[in-house]
Amino acid sequence: AQKITQTQPGMFVQEKEAVTLDCTYDTSDPSYGLFWYKQPSSGEMIFLIYQGSYDQQNATEGRYSLNFQKARKSANLVISASQLGDSAMYFCAMREGRSFGNEKLTFGTGTRLTIIP
Amino acid sequence: ETGVTQTPRHLVMGMTNKKSLKCEQHLGHNAMYWYKQSAKKPLELMFVYNFKEQTENNSVPSRFSPECPNSSHLFLHLHTLQPEDSALYLCASSQTPEKGNTEAFFGQGTRLTVV
Repeated sequence: AQKITQTQPGMFVQEKEAVTLDCTYDTSDPSYGLFWYKQPSSGEMIFLIYQGSYDQQNATEGRYSLNFQKARKSANLVISASQLGDSAMYFCAMREGRSFGNEKLTFGTGTRLTIIP
Repeated sequence: ETGVTQTPRHLVMGMTNKKSLKCEQHLGHNAMYWYKQSAKKPLELMFVYNFKEQTENNSVPSRFSPECPNSSHLFLHLHTLQPEDSALYLCASSQTPEKGNTEAFFGQGTRLTVV
């Protein structure tokens, strides 16, 4: 079974509108972390936001927020007031466990976001 | 320089060639990774190094050979590759979990084409 599922291969959003990118995950490990990365056409993966499984509050970083619903195993990324520069691929990723040597990330297939002027 | 730097950015090689990809991080991290990104597939973890020791080999064919001489440098040696090995190869680094958040920082990748 896929550990990270992103059901939206592509999205088109009008500039200045908010956008929600979906991510669901599957794990039996009680300790895990969820990450969102942005990949522009240049190829570099840019870290956006992190949510730990024991965090009580949803993570926020500037215009990015993570809608963490633990019981539903979802970790949707919300981008407020979208900008043209937000056009990119967005990847959801999960790290299971916190033991030394177990920091590997599992990625979803990504969502291509295009912001329309 | 700061962050994670990968060279070369683009590489075209024949199936009989031998080449190496280089990754360097200036973040003081203890863990380094190689990922493969093929079209329409999730990023695939290839290798993990912690404190220069390989801790993960994700069933990668032996035509890919990693080398980690120190915590700041990571290489991927390539030989007798196949056309299906054409992909974007991404290097990343992170801090170990006991030191806090472990978000991985990525380089810009090497776009490899095998002809």
